Amino acid sequence: SQQGEEDPQALSIQEGENATMNCSYKTSINNLQWYRQNSGRGLVHLILIRSNEREKHSGRLRVTLDTSKKSSSLLITASRAADTASYFCANTGNQFYFGTGTSLTVIP
Amino acid sequence: NAGVMQNPRHLVRRRGQEARLRCSPVKGHSHVYWYRQLPEEGLKFMVYLQKENIIDESGMPKERFSAEFPKEGPSILRIQQVVRGDSAAYFCASSPSGGWSNQPQHFGDGTRLSIL
Repeated sequence: SQQGEEDPQALSIQEGENATMNCSYKTSINNLQWYRQNSGRGLVHLILIRSNEREKHSGRLRVTLDTSKKSSSLLITASRAADTASYFCANTGNQFYFGTGTSLTVIP
Repeated sequence: NAGVMQNPRHLVRRRGQEARLRCSPVKGHSHVYWYRQLPEEGLKFMVYLQKENIIDESGMPKERFSAEFPKEGPSILRIQQVVRGDSAAYFCASSPSGGWSNQPQHFGDGTRLSIL
């Protein structure tokens, strides 16, 4: 399988804390994308990082990419209860390969 | 601006029946992708279509499953003679132009298919 994996599978934090999720992938990539999925809903695109970039910011999100280790991390700073969702990485070579997701719970 | 619209949201079928899932992409998007998601798992790619063409169907089971995206109207994912193992959430996504790499995909809220 060329599917990636997120780590941890589940994460529970207090509101205001930072949340870090990691993603490992198997194939070479053109870029890597992070998505969020609320329960019962479709995926929403969060951020895209290209293979020649190492770090990217968008609001409270910070994504890093290490192509030598085939890994990426998503940091959500100052978490809010509304950030509770599942987060998926997708590595895009000649197809979208989604990871298995990290389920984040932010406790108010 | 309507996003990707999928219907029905929930579909119940008995074993052996046919299931038809519909997807209207974002207005102006000509590329559609179908994915399947089992509980507690990520999305698995099934098929990628452009208007009237199947671009990549490498994730589609060889039997009972078919997809189309006609010149007019929504994209349809069709599952014939459904079995219990077809129970899953099926998601459709669209993008304005082709290629996997450089564009985010816009997702619908999915169709939850349950097989009795």
